[in-house]
Amino acid sequence: EAGVAQSPRYKIIEKRQSVAFWCNPISGHATLYWYQQILGQGPKLLIQFQNNGVVDDSQLPKDRFSAERLKGVDSTLKIQPAKLEDSAVYLCASSLSPAGGASEQFFGPGTRLTVL
Amino acid sequence: GNSVTQMEGPVTLSEEAFLTINCTYTATGYPSLFWYVQYPGEGLQLLLKATKADDKGSNKGFEATYRKETTSFHLEKGSVQVSDSAVYFCALSSGGTSYGKLTFGQGTILTVHP
Repeated sequence: EAGVAQSPRYKIIEKRQSVAFWCNPISGHATLYWYQQILGQGPKLLIQFQNNGVVDDSQLPKDRFSAERLKGVDSTLKIQPAKLEDSAVYLCASSLSPAGGASEQFFGPGTRLTVL
Repeated sequence: GNSVTQMEGPVTLSEEAFLTINCTYTATGYPSLFWYVQYPGEGLQLLLKATKADDKGSNKGFEATYRKETTSFHLEKGSVQVSDSAVYFCALSSGGTSYGKLTFGQGTILTVHP
């Protein structure tokens, strides 16, 4: 069974530029999450999708971040414009059961973003 | 709101030593508790979990018991190996509108020397 796929693995941009990350969850997983992991900290949830609907985006800086999950499968996270403090690893995760619950979340390898 | 606090790190041990990584939490309701591990160069993966009070999660020689009275979920292993060197994250998932959302601790770096 293929795992969660993310691309790109690394991205370096200058502040005020735009960037987009892509995630393909495990086939059949209804719930998809985007987390931000700043160096030395634990991951922090940015947004949670149930199929193609948003369950929780309370921690998403909506003035610069956006995310979509068209057709309830792949997802894209965008930052426009980027700030220095956006430098982090962006993790995508998916889980099988509706809204996750205590079911295991499977994480992708992450995209490491450096903003100069 | 929900929060997870892990012991200050990093932790450095010799092979075959006993490991304890402390984790305490604050949450509403009855959360599920998890330990995730991140090996060098790899993504996060679930190590073990417990879904109710007094449950013990175990995997690969690691154990953790859900203690509601002390709001703790300490990770233990009787004899660590060099291959256990990794970053360990304690996390919780609680109900409400964000059912399934994980709240993580800051992580503990474990280094095991031969």
